Amino acid sequence: GQNIDQPTEMTATEGAIVQINCTYQTSGFNGLFWYQQHAGEAPTFLSYNVLDGLEEKGRFSSFLSRSKGYSYLLLKELQMKDSASYLCAVRDSNYQLIWGAGTKLIIKP
Amino acid sequence: IAGITQAPTSQILAAGRRMTLRCTQDMRHNAMYWYRQDLGLGLRLIHYSNTAGTTGKGEVPDGYSVSRANTDDFPLTLASAVPSQTSVYFCASSDSPTGLSGANVLTFGAGSRLTVL
Repeated sequence: GQNIDQPTEMTATEGAIVQINCTYQTSGFNGLFWYQQHAGEAPTFLSYNVLDGLEEKGRFSSFLSRSKGYSYLLLKELQMKDSASYLCAVRDSNYQLIWGAGTKLIIKP
Repeated sequence: IAGITQAPTSQILAAGRRMTLRCTQDMRHNAMYWYRQDLGLGLRLIHYSNTAGTTGKGEVPDGYSVSRANTDDFPLTLASAVPSQTSVYFCASSDSPTGLSGANVLTFGAGSRLTVL
């Protein structure tokens, strides 16, 4: 079966750096996505990786290793507003999106 | 403001009742989707539409139906609601179907929280 694994919850301190990992086992690979979802709100797009390596976008970076079935989202200079759930999703060989359950990130002052 | 509008925001429904969740987008996106989100699970695709006039089944289609009469509207109907359909429902759209290459970012509506008693 297809599976996306993410930690259920993480805690970090304001101003620090946090890395959220995502491992996947899917039938094929056609891209990996990260979305941010604040409590009670809709998911919003953060990043897209289709080739190995690091994609940087301001305070957020996303890394992909296709051979290891692994990605991480790196958040720098954490702010209280970064408290949210972070969803990892993989597009498989049928171009269907498979979603992880999300990682709830708690930022403490 | 361009985006997706879902209605109702929240609804409590008796089991066995029929319910339609409405979804309208003003971005002229070709593809639209309905997901449900349950605690501890990833988003699960219920139904999708790659373009007006066509629909397809997702991962969990049983008990749900959709229609796509035009580009903007994509209602989801529960013919006879059951308690297991208690969930948060998200409508989403993208410029092109996820079957095409490229980032193809999804834009989500604010969600409809449905409780079936």
